[in-house]
Amino acid sequence: EIVLTQSPGTLSLSPGERATLSCRASQSVTSIYLAWYQQKIGQAPRLLIYGASSRATGIADRFSGSGSGTDFTLTISRLEPEDFAVYYCQQYGSSPLTFGGGTKVEIK
Amino acid sequence: QVQLQESGPGLVKPSETLSLTCTVSGYSISSGYYWGWMRQPPGKGLEWIATIYESGSTYYNPTLKSRVTISVDTSKNHFSLKVSSVTAADTAVYYCARERAWDSSGYFYMDVWGKGTTVTVSS
Repeated sequence: EIVLTQSPGTLSLSPGERATLSCRASQSVTSIYLAWYQQKIGQAPRLLIYGASSRATGIADRFSGSGSGTDFTLTISRLEPEDFAVYYCQQYGSSPLTFGGGTKVEIK
Repeated sequence: QVQLQESGPGLVKPSETLSLTCTVSGYSISSGYYWGWMRQPPGKGLEWIATIYESGSTYYNPTLKSRVTISVDTSKNHFSLKVSSVTAADTAVYYCARERAWDSSGYFYMDVWGKGTTVTVSS
């Protein structure tokens, strides 16, 4: 099983700032098999990024994904008030599909 | 616009079987795509449970496989999940989702999610 470790656990930032979230895999993941989701309190997750860097339909271009091998990054270029949420990475290159533990982006 | 809605009992007794259904609207399940279930225990992260293709091909998380059955009913445009011998550890919000495969070599990411349904296991 591929274990995904996300860091930091919590990121305290102000609107307008840049957020950089990390997802590290316990073994190499082919980049096309890495996704990112956003989850707000009381809501279902929402797909942001798939294939490590492809934005899902309707996702703002301030969200970008990058990385390869065991290290992947989600960047939010300028935080908007609606971006404060929990973010999860997910690998789908091998079974079982696994998610990271999440990074909470909170208002500073 | 495709929408998914989970339904099922909110309370299940220990050792019994949890049964959930996900009704799909705005899209015919028989037209393709994969369909799956995830869960999220209170205050914790996400766990993939199982996935099914419209043809009936199934994929299970090995840690749950012995207790889980996923099925699809294309005539009702819904798919279902059963988890047997439940314990308190099965208490979670259960989500259904439409899943997509990048290619034939990998597995699935979730592009449309239901709102989730809370299941509590308690006597």
